[in-house]
Amino acid sequence: DGGITQSPKYLFRKEGQNVTLSCEQNLNHDAMYWYRQDPGQGLRLIYYSQIVNDFQKGDIAEGYSVSREKKESFPLTVTSAQKNPTAFYLCASSRGLAGGRDTQYFGPGTRLTVL
Amino acid sequence: AQTVTQSQPEMSVQEAETVTLSCTYDTSESDYYLFWYKQPPSRQMILVIRQEAYKQQNATENRFSVNFQKAAKSFSLKISDSQLGDAAMYFCAYRIPRRDEKLTFGTGTRLTIIP
Repeated sequence: DGGITQSPKYLFRKEGQNVTLSCEQNLNHDAMYWYRQDPGQGLRLIYYSQIVNDFQKGDIAEGYSVSREKKESFPLTVTSAQKNPTAFYLCASSRGLAGGRDTQYFGPGTRLTVL
Repeated sequence: AQTVTQSQPEMSVQEAETVTLSCTYDTSESDYYLFWYKQPPSRQMILVIRQEAYKQQNATENRFSVNFQKAAKSFSLKISDSQLGDAAMYFCAYRIPRRDEKLTFGTGTRLTIIP
């Protein structure tokens, strides 16, 4: 089955620790994205990547880092510099067509809780 | 700032009835794409429907249709013959091509279906 997988589903972290959230897609999509969702709010973009070995900051990139070494994978690291990391994290991918006729499809998400 | 406003935090509808969720947005761009996403209790974001701003014809997908009023910057979602499986959070979003790649989301409307 084609789709986007995220792991783990739930993640607990102690303050001061870095953690990495996994996102994998087998849709052959060029573009991948990371969003954060807080209670009562819509999603906000953390980072996105349009092509392997390239990525761009979104609206709330501080305290996060990413890599894009393979087309299928776009891991997100939540560093100790992120002041309030407890949230629901959603990964998305899209074909990355030029001109904007591009629809993003989402993975099932990871719930991160800082203890 | 470019924003999306969903003025109805919660809505409810009787099963088999019709409900309309409202959305207004604010952008100075003339070319953009509008989306409705559904987030059920599993929390995975699922695309419901998409509308290109340059198209006057309203998009439809089975029981889901939109009322797109470009001059008023309004993009409401109508769900006909509501079913129990339609219960979810619904998010309105837009994307501007050839600028950045993010979806700008509203804060969502929680839809309850009454049996």
